[in-house]
Amino acid sequence: EVQLVESGGGLVKPGGSLRLSCAASGFTFSSYSMNWVRQAPGKGLEWVSSISSSSSYIYYADSVKGRFTISRDNAKNSLYLQMNSLRAEDTAVYYCARDYTAVAVNIPGDYWGQGTLVTVSS
Amino acid sequence: QPVLTQPPSSSASPGESARLTCTLPSDINVGSYNIYWYQQKPGSPPRYLLYYYSDSDKGQGSGVPSRFSGSKDASANTGILLISGLQSEDEADYYCMIWPSNAPRVFGGGTKLTVL
Repeated sequence: EVQLVESGGGLVKPGGSLRLSCAASGFTFSSYSMNWVRQAPGKGLEWVSSISSSSSYIYYADSVKGRFTISRDNAKNSLYLQMNSLRAEDTAVYYCARDYTAVAVNIPGDYWGQGTLVTVSS
Repeated sequence: QPVLTQPPSSSASPGESARLTCTLPSDINVGSYNIYWYQQKPGSPPRYLLYYYSDSDKGQGSGVPSRFSGSKDASANTGILLISGLQSEDEADYYCMIWPSNAPRVFGGGTKLTVL
């Protein structure tokens, strides 16, 4: 069974930093691209960042570029998001999501974790 | 960055069909993209439902009932999620998404579906 478990959320002051983790199990983590997607309270979904299976390709939303860093450790089956210079507008539930890629088909976000809440407030 | 427009709310009665739309901006042709659909119930993460490109190129998520299907209306530049035989458990928020080449993936604002 595919499982994605996020951790590391919490309350942080504006300008502060936080590191989120996503522990993966039930599949060959090193074969899949992974993503972070966030959802502000009462709002819709916003894609944040993606990383390819071998970390060769990394992408960020403009809203976090230069402040957030995505990384992964395939030996530990883990995905990370280092968040620096946090702002109030970064307050959201952050989800870890897997991409499924096969010949002629790409499924973004075929599995999602339960999410971890990040609150940026003084 | 494109903006996908979804009606904020929709409603239908049990047993009826619900047609949820996702309109692309005029400078982006719906015919060129997979339209992905996700369901989110309160307090839960999103769930992948399906994608639709054409009648010959589409896919259902694992365990997703065949009552959920996708289509496009090219004349309206719109992706469509059709839910037939509505059940109370279908009450949820529904999000569409596109993934342009070499560009960030974009979600619509979501539609809250109420089963009356």
